[in-house]
Amino acid sequence: KAGVTQTPRYLIKTRGQQVTLSCSPISGHRSVSWYQQTPGQGLQFLFEYFSETQRNKGNFPGRFSGRQFSNSRSEMNVSTLELGDSALYLCASSLAPTVSYNEQFFGPGTRLTVL
Amino acid sequence: ELKVEQNPLFLSMQEGKNYTIYCNYSTTSDRLYWYRQDPGKSLESLFVLLSNGAVKQEGRLMASLDTKARLSTLHITAAVHDLSATYFCAVDEGYGGATNKLIFGTGTLLAVQP
Repeated sequence: KAGVTQTPRYLIKTRGQQVTLSCSPISGHRSVSWYQQTPGQGLQFLFEYFSETQRNKGNFPGRFSGRQFSNSRSEMNVSTLELGDSALYLCASSLAPTVSYNEQFFGPGTRLTVL
Repeated sequence: ELKVEQNPLFLSMQEGKNYTIYCNYSTTSDRLYWYRQDPGKSLESLFVLLSNGAVKQEGRLMASLDTKARLSTLHITAAVHDLSATYFCAVDEGYGGATNKLIFGTGTLLAVQP
């Protein structure tokens, strides 16, 4: 069974640009969550989507947005990039929040560098 | 606001020794996860703990959850070099149902020395 896939794996952008990251969950999984990992702030929750609806959002500015498609694939977008947005962006998928044993599986991440 | 504290931040162990990593959290939750991260890699799921008193074991690792004390432990038995990695605990912000909003601890960098 294929795992969570994220594209691209590496990105280099300059300040002020925007970027779109993609996540394909494990087949049959309908919930997708996004996390940012930096050396200074650690792992922080960005948002979670289930059935194309954003259910939860973390404490990030509005420049960070996302969406989920009917096939459960998700994208996140960061506009007007800042140097501090350089991070590893991780996507996690799970079956559904209503499932008792709702384990999240993480993708390999997208390493974003903002110059 | 849910806060998750993990200690120690860094743990240098000798092979063959035992040790415990602690994870405390500040508000009620009934879902706690342990993950492993190797350098430059993503997170690997180790354990899912869903109820008070839950105990799970896999190889040399054993995790437990005490929801009343808001404490989870990850016990390492007879450490080997292959266990060297960063270990994270993560707590789901919800109670009585998953929110899929995980609050992570700071991580414990484990270095097992021969």
